[in-house]
Amino acid sequence: GDSVTQKQGQVTLSEDDFLFINCTYSTTTYPTLLWYVQYLGQGPQLLLKVTTANNKGISRGFEATYDKGTTSFHLQKASVQESDSAVYFCALVNSGTYQRFGTGTKLQVVP
Amino acid sequence: ETAVFQTPNYHVTQVGNEVSFNCKQTLGHDTMYWYKQDSKKLLKIMFSYNNKQLIVNETVPRRFSPQSSDKAHLNLRIKSVEPEDSAVYLCASSYLGENTLYFGAGTRLSVL
Repeated sequence: GDSVTQKQGQVTLSEDDFLFINCTYSTTTYPTLLWYVQYLGQGPQLLLKVTTANNKGISRGFEATYDKGTTSFHLQKASVQESDSAVYFCALVNSGTYQRFGTGTKLQVVP
Repeated sequence: ETAVFQTPNYHVTQVGNEVSFNCKQTLGHDTMYWYKQDSKKLLKIMFSYNNKQLIVNETVPRRFSPQSSDKAHLNLRIKSVEPEDSAVYLCASSYLGENTLYFGAGTRLSVL
């Protein structure tokens, strides 16, 4: 079945550091890939999504590239801020099914 | 701007009690979901309704029952809570076939 893997449980960075959060997926089709962000006390909200292989999603300085060859959808940001501290979820969805989420990566950015 | 409203925000109860959580969305979506988020932040789908019809029912204990009066409301009842039910219950909505989920802030359940 479909699955999403996030190996990093927690990432701690200083402001202006480069962010990289790993996400790989497993499916037999061409899914839509998404990143959600969950701030403390809130529900997850969509950060970005990509529906076509080899395309890139960009939002609020974050970007992720749909790599069908390596089945990855890593999240990156050039320079993080303290306000980016949150939990980040990678997810995939195939037509006619529900979204499957990764286990989440908690990002802590210290000033 | 909040468009998926969940009540209550927080509920504490004892083992064996019945609890009910409410969810309403004002986005005009036709599909609503309940997800369970455990203490490790893991998100698991429980149920999904499209236009009041159940379309997804994952492996969930029978003490959980969703209730939908119309496409804008999806409630969740737990008949006899157990300690492992302690979690945050997140309601979400979308258009069927649309890939973006809109989540509420969640209801945190603590079972003593």
